[in-house]
Amino acid sequence: NAGVTQTPKFRVLKTGQSMTLLCAQDMNHEYMYWYRQDPGMGLRLIHYSVGEGTTAKGEVPDGYNVSRLKKQNFLLGLESAAPSQTSVYFCASRGDRYNEQFFGPGTRLTVL
Amino acid sequence: LAKTTQPISMDSYEGQEVNITCSHNNIATNDYITWYQQFPSQGPRFIIQGYKTKVTNEVASLFIPADRKSSTLSLPRVSLSDTAVYYCLVGRMDSSYKLIFGSGTRLLVRP
Repeated sequence: NAGVTQTPKFRVLKTGQSMTLLCAQDMNHEYMYWYRQDPGMGLRLIHYSVGEGTTAKGEVPDGYNVSRLKKQNFLLGLESAAPSQTSVYFCASRGDRYNEQFFGPGTRLTVL
Repeated sequence: LAKTTQPISMDSYEGQEVNITCSHNNIATNDYITWYQQFPSQGPRFIIQGYKTKVTNEVASLFIPADRKSSTLSLPRVSLSDTAVYYCLVGRMDSSYKLIFGSGTRLLVRP
């Protein structure tokens, strides 16, 4: 099992450009999450999904969109990137056991 | 969601036992307490979860007093590789549950 994978690992964007981050999990988990983590800070929830075809807003959803067309994939989109979106983005998935979320390795995004 | 308070940082030495306490005064009846560990440049990793009294696994122990307004993560005989940020989270386990991470406790283990 690969667990949770994220693509790409690094990306540099110019202000106004768009991009999509891909998260994939092979654990058949229902719940998936996107977080961002700024330097020296904890993680903040952007959007989450409780099942295929569903999405919901987290703490900091502005400037991001998500889609969960397939159970194993959760996409995070930035339509018009801003320097304030420079961060490390983590994807996670959760099954039914406890509150154990499994995190991906992260995507380091820089917006110039 | 219950707010949590934990120390910003802690120092320890190899071989010592480390106890990190988290306050959650407004914890709800259905809330569980979960701890995560995060190494630099990695995503957080689940350590342990509990509801009341004591929970122990191969990595750590979690102590929760009767009033559940605080909890203590205990790491026995730490090593240099335990240097990380530790997060305490409180919340329900239903499908709408969203994990809210605070700033965590930075643990530095010295030789």
